[in-house]
Amino acid sequence: NAGVTQTPKFQVLKTGQSMTLQCAQDMNHEYMSWYRQDPGMGLRLIHYSVGAGITDQGEVPNGYNVSRSTTEDFPLRLLSAAPSQTSVYFCASSYSRTGGGNTIYFGEGSWLTVV
Amino acid sequence: GDSVTQMEGPVTLSEEAFLTINCTYTATGYPSLFWYVQYPGEGLQLLLKATKADDKGSNKGFEATYRKETTSFHLEKGSVQVSDSAVYFCAQRGFQKLVFGTGTRLLVSP
Repeated sequence: NAGVTQTPKFQVLKTGQSMTLQCAQDMNHEYMSWYRQDPGMGLRLIHYSVGAGITDQGEVPNGYNVSRSTTEDFPLRLLSAAPSQTSVYFCASSYSRTGGGNTIYFGEGSWLTVV
Repeated sequence: GDSVTQMEGPVTLSEEAFLTINCTYTATGYPSLFWYVQYPGEGLQLLLKATKADDKGSNKGFEATYRKETTSFHLEKGSVQVSDSAVYFCAQRGFQKLVFGTGTRLLVSP
């Protein structure tokens, strides 16, 4: 049982390049999400999904796309990277769709630098 | 909207000192409350949680009590260790997401 697995852990991109951050979970969680962490701002929700084929926007969705073709995988795509997207990205998952006390589990993070 | 406010850091303590990190929240209902910890270079780990008023979450010597009347969830530990040095995030679970505070860095010196 690996939990939530993110790859890559570190990435440097040039402005305008595209890339995909991968996220997979093996806990059969319905809910998956992506957050970004910036200094002094805590974690902010980018996109989330409540099941395969269903995605929705969070607080800061601009510049990012997601898809959920399977329960296990929830990739985050940067279509044209910008320096403002330099951040640490966390994927997270949980059982519950609509809140409650179910714990949200986090991956180890992906450190992305856009130059 | 829903929000979480944490005390600003860094909090600097000597080993075996008492720790309090304040956290208050605003919410329309009665959210579940969480403390997550992030060690240097690592991801977020759940430290403890509470799902209803007056619940006390505890783990690894840390405790926090869900206080509805003061909308607070302060984190406490009676005797901190150097290994507790990390960033601590308070969070509430609202509709489809966690709302985080900005984090409080704790530095414990020997």
